[in-house]
Amino acid sequence: KAGVTQTPRYLIKTRGQQVTLSCSPISGHRSVSWYQQTPGQGLQFLFEYFSETQRNKGNFPGRFSGRQFSNSRSEMNVSTLELGDSALYLCASSSTGTGGPEQYFGPGTRLTVT
Amino acid sequence: AQKITQTQPGMFVQEKEAVTLDCTYDTSDPSYGLFWYKQPSSGEMIFLIYQGSYDQQNATEGRYSLNFQKARKSANLVISASQLGDSAMYFCAMREGSGANSKLTFGKGITLSVRP
Repeated sequence: KAGVTQTPRYLIKTRGQQVTLSCSPISGHRSVSWYQQTPGQGLQFLFEYFSETQRNKGNFPGRFSGRQFSNSRSEMNVSTLELGDSALYLCASSSTGTGGPEQYFGPGTRLTVT
Repeated sequence: AQKITQTQPGMFVQEKEAVTLDCTYDTSDPSYGLFWYKQPSSGEMIFLIYQGSYDQQNATEGRYSLNFQKARKSANLVISASQLGDSAMYFCAMREGSGANSKLTFGKGITLSVRP
C-alpha cells in the first residue's frame, strides 16, 4: 500500500503570494489532517477533513484554508503569505479519524516565504 | 498548562544500549490516546507506538515499548538496543476524547543521538 504523499516537497514563495499544497492519503483513508511545524511553535494542528467536510479546526487565521475532494485527496491554501508562514507542512491520514491509533504522516512540504 | 511536556534536552545513547525518552501529559478526559513519533532529518513523521488510556498493558512494538503510568500521567518511550538509525527527533503526542476528533497535540520533541 502506498503511503501518504505530499506535493510539492519544496516551495519558495514571496510575501503576499498565495500557495496551494496537496496531500493524497493512504488508499481507503477518509480523514486528512494538516499540521504546521516551525522551530519556534513546534507542531500545530491546522484542520482536519473527513468525507469532504471540515470536522476540526485549529487556531490559525482565515488565510489558511483547505478542502477535500471526493477521492479523499486534500488541498491546503495559504493566501497573502507572510514570512512567518515559512514552515514544514505535514498532512496525516487515517481511516476514520475517530480516536484510533492510525495517523500516518506524509513527508511534508517545506515552504519558504521570502 | 501544556498538554504534552517533553523536558529532556538532547539525549545521547551508546549504540546497542537502551534509552528512555520522557513524556508527561495533562488531560481531564478519561478517554485519550498517546502516540510517539520519530522525525528524522528528512522531515517525515514516522509512527512508532500507540497507547490507549484504557489499555491494561503497556504497548510494545519491536524495539519500542511505552512505559505507561496513568496515575502519574507519564508515557515514556523505551528504545532497546539502540541503532545508529535511531538518531532523530522524537515527539510525544496525545489525542483526547473519542469520536470525530483526530487532532493531535504534540510535545516540543526530544533530540536523540546514538553514538557508535
